[in-house]
Amino acid sequence: GDSVTQMEGPVTLSEEAFLTINCTYTATGYPSLFWYVQYPGEGLQLLLKATKADDKGSNKGFEATYRKETTSFHLEKGSVQVSDSAVYFCALSPLGAAGNKLTFGGGTRVLVKP
Amino acid sequence: ETGVTQTPRHLVMGMTNKKSLKCEQHLGHNAMYWYKQSAKKPLELMFVYNFKEQTENNSVPSRFSPECPNSSHLFLHLHTLQPEDSALYLCASSPLTASIQETQYFGPGTRLLVL
Repeated sequence: GDSVTQMEGPVTLSEEAFLTINCTYTATGYPSLFWYVQYPGEGLQLLLKATKADDKGSNKGFEATYRKETTSFHLEKGSVQVSDSAVYFCALSPLGAAGNKLTFGGGTRVLVKP
Repeated sequence: ETGVTQTPRHLVMGMTNKKSLKCEQHLGHNAMYWYKQSAKKPLELMFVYNFKEQTENNSVPSRFSPECPNSSHLFLHLHTLQPEDSALYLCASSPLTASIQETQYFGPGTRLLVL
């Protein structure tokens, strides 16, 4: 079945540091890929998404590129802020009739210190 | 009110209690979902409702009973739960269109503690 693997946290950074969270997936065909973020005490919010190979999703300074050859969707941000402290989830949804079923990775907790 | 709302935000119950979680979406979506988020485990999809019809039951124990009276409301009825059912229960909704860019929108969750 489909699966998503992402690096375990916590990841602790200083403000303005570069952030990378690795995400790889296993799926049949060409799924859509997502990054969701969960701030303390809140539900998940969509951060960015990509629906086909070589697409780059971006939002709030975060970027991720859909790499079919390496089945990866790594999340990056060039200069993090304290407000970026959260748990980040990589997810995929398959094409077709099951397209509204999301498979999530385990989440990566990021802590940004001032 | 906009988005996806969930009530209550926190719930403590004994193993013999019966309680219900409520989810409401104000986005005009046609699909709704229940997820369970436990510590140190990936987010688990529990149930999916498309146009009020249940289309997915991910091997969830019968002590969890979902109800979807219309496309805007989703309930999770709880009875005789176990301590290991303590978790954050998240509701989500999505438009359910032919688009492949199906994005799910999540509520804030209900933090459940079973004693």
